[in-house]
Amino acid sequence: NAGVTQTPKFQVLKTGQSMTLQCAQDMNHEYMSWYRQDPGMGLRLIHYSVGAGITDQGEVPNGYNVSRSTTEDFPLRLLSAAPSQTSVYFCASSEQQGLAYQETQYFGPGTRLLVL
Amino acid sequence: AQSVAQPEDQVNVAEGNPLTVKCTYSVSGNPYLFWYVQYPNRGLQFLLKYITGDNLVKGSYGFEAEFNKSQTSFHLKKPSALVSDSALYFCAVRDQGSARQLTFGSGTQLTVLP
Repeated sequence: NAGVTQTPKFQVLKTGQSMTLQCAQDMNHEYMSWYRQDPGMGLRLIHYSVGAGITDQGEVPNGYNVSRSTTEDFPLRLLSAAPSQTSVYFCASSEQQGLAYQETQYFGPGTRLLVL
Repeated sequence: AQSVAQPEDQVNVAEGNPLTVKCTYSVSGNPYLFWYVQYPNRGLQFLLKYITGDNLVKGSYGFEAEFNKSQTSFHLKKPSALVSDSALYFCAVRDQGSARQLTFGSGTQLTVLP
């Protein structure tokens, strides 16, 4: 298993540009999520999905869109990039939400995004 | 509302000494508690979790954590630190009764000195 994969590893954008961060998992996990990591702030949840066709907002959803057309893929779209979106983005997946023994999350390697 | 605090941004310990990374939490009901570790330029890796039962939880790489309900704490410990334990450690909590998502702490940078 490749686990959770993310592309690209690093991206530089200009303010106002749009882009999609890709996330895929091959573990047949129902639950997937996107976090951003900023110094001194830990991880903050952007959006999450409990299964194909179902998404919901997390703590910091503004400026981001997601969709979940398949179990495997969960792309994150930046609609109009802003310098405040400079961060490291992590995708994660777990088997199921609601029962803690299944909630161990598996993280991708991250995408480092710089918005100028 | 649920929250988690890691009061120390940085912890330094000598190799071979015991280490403790602190975590306190706040939830309305009973907590699910987790520790994750992040090595440089990598994603987070699961270390251990508390769901219910024994207050002392053992995890990967010789780490353990003790759940203390009265002090609302879940400190991470290891009897003898290794230089390779140097990393960023995150505590996370979820309220069993209500909240659907994990809340992560701000992280503690552990440095083990040779």
